[in-house]
Amino acid sequence: QSALTQPPSASGSPGQSVTISCTGTSSDVGGYNYVSWYQQHPGKAPKLIIYDVSKRPSGVPDRFSGSKSGNTASLTVSGLQAEDEAHYYCSSYAGSSVVFGGGTKLTVL
Amino acid sequence: QLQLQESGPGLVKPSETLSLTCTVSGDSISSTSHYWGWIRHPPGKGLEWIGSIYYSGSTYYNPSLKSRVTISVDTSKNQFSLKLNSVTAADTAVYYCARLWSKYFQHWGQGTLVTVSS
Repeated sequence: QSALTQPPSASGSPGQSVTISCTGTSSDVGGYNYVSWYQQHPGKAPKLIIYDVSKRPSGVPDRFSGSKSGNTASLTVSGLQAEDEAHYYCSSYAGSSVVFGGGTKLTVL
Repeated sequence: QLQLQESGPGLVKPSETLSLTCTVSGDSISSTSHYWGWIRHPPGKGLEWIGSIYYSGSTYYNPSLKSRVTISVDTSKNQFSLKLNSVTAADTAVYYCARLWSKYFQHWGQGTLVTVSS
C-alpha cells in the first residue's frame, strides 16, 4: 500500500478558508467512505477531527468540514484561526489495513 | 478518563528488536467495542499505521511491516505490546499507541521516541 498524497503545505490569513486535498486510489479513498482527518500540533499526539468522510466528533468546531469525490478527499477549514496552524493528516481504510497521507503543514499568515 | 501510556527503551541497536508496551487505564482492553493499535511517526515524514489488535488476539498488520511485526495483548495487565525485529535507522520514529473506534484512532497515547543507533 502507498501513502495517500497530500500537498506539503497550505496557508491562509485569519478568517479565510483553506482546502487541503488527499489523493488515493480506488483501493482506499475511492473504495470506502472511511476517510478521516487528524490535526497534530507540535509535540502533541494527533487528534481526530473528521471521520466517515465528513462527520465531526463532538467538540470539533464546525469550521472543519470534509468531503470526497472519487479517489480524492478534501478538508476545508473555514474562518481560519491562529490555533488552526498545525499539521493535518488524512487517512483511509484500505480493506483490513489503514493508510495515512504524508501530511500538510497549515500556516496561518 | 481513558489514558494510554507507551513505555519501552528509547534507544535500540540496529538489527535488534524494538519492544514497546501500551498500558491502558480508564477502559478495559477486553472491551468488545474497540480495537487497539500502533502508529509511528518518523522524523520529517507522515504517520504510518503499524497494526491493530482485538482483545481476542486477532491482528491486522501493515503489509510493508508484516514480516517484522508482532502485536500481542495481555488482558490481565490491561496492556498490549509491539515487537519490531531487525530494526534499522529507518525505524527511528515516535511510536504511538491508540484506541480505535470503528476504523479511526480516537484516543492516542502521548507517544515515545525510539531511536535506532549503535
